[in-house]
Amino acid sequence: GENVEQHPSTLSVQEGDSAVIKCTYSDSASNYFPWYKQELGKGPQLIIDIRSNVGEKKDQRIAVTLNKTAKHFSLHITETQPEDSAVYFCAASTRGADGLTFGKGTHLIIQP
Amino acid sequence: DAGVTQSPTHLIKTRGQQVTLRCSPKSGHDTVSWYQQALGQGPQFIFQYYEEEERQRGNFPDRFSGHQFPNYSSELNVNALLLGDSALYLCASSLPGLGNTIYFGEGSWLTVV
Repeated sequence: GENVEQHPSTLSVQEGDSAVIKCTYSDSASNYFPWYKQELGKGPQLIIDIRSNVGEKKDQRIAVTLNKTAKHFSLHITETQPEDSAVYFCAASTRGADGLTFGKGTHLIIQP
Repeated sequence: DAGVTQSPTHLIKTRGQQVTLRCSPKSGHDTVSWYQQALGQGPQFIFQYYEEEERQRGNFPDRFSGHQFPNYSSELNVNALLLGDSALYLCASSLPGLGNTIYFGEGSWLTVV
């Protein structure tokens, strides 16, 4: 089955700087790659997603890139703000709306 | 527009007991999935329901079962609870088809003592 590796497990950046979180996947049939933000005690909130027919997608301060050849995708957050502090999860799916395989998460800490 | 709603939010059960968790999907969504999230880990896929049938299942034992009702709401049942079943149980909903966005509820925290 699919295996998703996520790095780093913890990332501390200064407010205003950029943050990058990287994930790799194992199943070349995967074609849907969402990113979720999870705050303490809450469910995961979708922040951006990308499909395998697209190499990059941007939504304001958040962008995701996908390299199908290397089987990795990354989340980029620019101009980080204190409210960006949370745990971020990447995920992959071979059939889109079917079961997602998640990475282990990155705890993003924004230092004031 | 209500999002995915789950109940109860917290519950405590004794080892060996059975538990039922409930989920109402986002309006217009007819596909419901369940995930288990242990502390400090990413969510793990349990199974998915569509048209009242289990369509896909992750690597979970038969103690985990589910049901989907005609109004698309769903239940997750866990029998013979083990201490290791203590986790956040998340329900997610989506439209059927490829690459549709998956929305999660806030989850049900289950503690097995």
